Amino acid sequence: GENVEQHPSTLSVQEGDSAVIKCTYSDSASNYFPWYKQELGKGPQLIIDIRSNVGEKKDQRIAVTLNKTAKHFSLHITETQPEDSAVYFCAAKGASGGSYIPTFGRGTSLIVHP
Amino acid sequence: DAGITQSPRHKVTETGTPVTLRCHQTENHRYMYWYRQDPGHGLRLIHYSYGVKDTDKGEVSDGYSVSRSKTEDFLLTLESATSSQTSVYFCAISGSGREDEKLLFGSGTQLSVL
Repeated sequence: GENVEQHPSTLSVQEGDSAVIKCTYSDSASNYFPWYKQELGKGPQLIIDIRSNVGEKKDQRIAVTLNKTAKHFSLHITETQPEDSAVYFCAAKGASGGSYIPTFGRGTSLIVHP
Repeated sequence: DAGITQSPRHKVTETGTPVTLRCHQTENHRYMYWYRQDPGHGLRLIHYSYGVKDTDKGEVSDGYSVSRSKTEDFLLTLESATSSQTSVYFCAISGSGREDEKLLFGSGTQLSVL
């Protein structure tokens, strides 16, 4: 089955700095890579996603990059703000069979210091 | 979150008692999932459903059972609760189509087994 590794587990930055979270996956059948943000006491919410036919996607201050050859994808947050503090999860998902069920990384706790 | 609700939000129970958590959706999505979230382990899949009466096990299914008699409801049952099942439980839903691939999570149930 799919295995998703996520690093780092904790990331501490100063407000205004950039933050990068990296994930690797094992199943070449995976073709959909979402990122979720979980604020304290809430369920995770999708913030951005990317498909295997795209190398990069941006949405304001966040961007995701995908390297299919190396099987890794990354979340980039620029100009971090205190409200970006949360736990971030990456996931990988395929199009059929067992890979259709998403597999999550273990999460990264991002702390943005004012 | 709109479209998916979990009940109860909090539950305290004693070891050995049965517990049922409910997930209700109004999105008519095909897939429903139960995850547990524990520090250091991220989101781990317990069981999932791909249709009415169609369910399958996830990576941490021991001690849990599920039922889905209607599209909108997915029940998670702990037959005889143990302290190791103290956790936060999240239900999630997703559709079949490309535009519905993202997971929509509920707000979670904090379960304490004493």
